[in-house]
Amino acid sequence: DSGVTQTPKHLITATGQRVTLRCSPRSGDLSVYWYQQSLDQGLQFLIQYYNGEERAKGNILERFSAQQFPDLHSELNLSSLELGDSALYFCASSSRAQLNTEAFFGQGTRLTVV
Amino acid sequence: DAKTTQPPSMDCAEGRAANLPCNHSTISGNEYVYWYRQIHSQGPQYIIHGLKNNETNEMASLIITEDRKSSTLILPHATLRDTAVYYCIVRVVDNNDMRFGAGTRLTVKP
Repeated sequence: DSGVTQTPKHLITATGQRVTLRCSPRSGDLSVYWYQQSLDQGLQFLIQYYNGEERAKGNILERFSAQQFPDLHSELNLSSLELGDSALYFCASSSRAQLNTEAFFGQGTRLTVV
Repeated sequence: DAKTTQPPSMDCAEGRAANLPCNHSTISGNEYVYWYRQIHSQGPQYIIHGLKNNETNEMASLIITEDRKSSTLILPHATLRDTAVYYCIVRVVDNNDMRFGAGTRLTVKP
């Protein structure tokens, strides 16, 4: 158990809908990362937050947004969903935005868009 | 972040050492080498990281060449449960958009 909790574990929704994925980082971790992994694809970095502020942005679509709340949990919002958004979405946390600390990953949310 | 190159796949016999290479020829002086693995759609798992010295922990050893242009992850006694995709990442200290490449799919065979 990495200590990073993602909910829900599975989500099935229709095209055009909007969903919210939730991530609770390890206790004390200030930094949260979001990744997308489509079937048999690599991990695509989406976005990183540190202590409530956006720190780095990767290949995140404009239809997607994220935020980190004062209690440090994070949410990834996916809107106007398309079939191609079906993927595993992982959240990771680390203790500091800088320095060489390792990141710990949650078990992911499997999103299926039908 | 510097780009890494890894072989797409490798096999290893159970009980033998698995040596996974990574080329990072454009690595900068402030970039660390990290290794993660992902077992069949589970969340990636941190293995080890280093800057210039060799590192060892309970999971693996990391050997970094003197010029830092390549490294090798060593699993000393591979088991079937080590079958996974192994990712080598180089990461600037003050840049945290940790980006994964395609990795090496290691298959440990009985």
